[in-house]
Amino acid sequence: GAVVSQHPSRVICKSGTSVKIECRSLDFQATTMFWYRQFPKQSLMLMATSNEGSKATYEQGVEKDKFLINHASLTLSTLTVTSAHPEDSSFYICSARDTVTGLGIPNEQFFGPGTRLTVL
Amino acid sequence: GQQVMQIPQYQHVQEGEDFTTYCNSSTTLSNIQWYKQRPGGHPVFLIQLVKSGEVKKQKRLTFQFGEAKKNSSLHITATQTTDVGTYFCAVDLKRTALIFGKGTTLSVSS
Repeated sequence: GAVVSQHPSRVICKSGTSVKIECRSLDFQATTMFWYRQFPKQSLMLMATSNEGSKATYEQGVEKDKFLINHASLTLSTLTVTSAHPEDSSFYICSARDTVTGLGIPNEQFFGPGTRLTVL
Repeated sequence: GQQVMQIPQYQHVQEGEDFTTYCNSSTTLSNIQWYKQRPGGHPVFLIQLVKSGEVKKQKRLTFQFGEAKKNSSLHITATQTTDVGTYFCAVDLKRTALIFGKGTTLSVSS
């Protein structure tokens, strides 16, 4: 099936710094990618929908100025956590759907391996 | 917003016992997906159900979609230690984003 990669897989940073997470679709193109956040022992919560070439759509309660999303190409979306604080520590997961060539079954989303962010 | 309720939150079974997790929605769903997440891993797509009353099987896993398309279940027959993980149902919104249920974490003791 289609492969989505994320980088880095783990990051530890000091409070106040910014962290960029990359999400790449390796063997397909994705006009839309999604960013989720998962706290320990909780479900995945949709943060935002990343649209190639346009502004991201953020879910209610997610600060767009804190979580900057850029989707500059059909294979790359980035999430930047600006001025990170300990409460931002979480597992960030991206997903993508092959809307161009139709890999997978209809509506199937392919998830990246996730990025575990720890803010000290 | 649209939500799916998933129960139970946790389930512990002895190896060989059966396991079932349920998802319910207050609104009619166009489809429902099921994912498995191993500890420390990311969600892996298991299946999608689309048709009313649909039943699909994958080896020991049986997935059902209710007649009213408001509920779904995942049943595992004769659990094995490899079945350990969290099982999520997810609903596909019109704009293609997924809304996940809270998940059922399965633990299996041998």
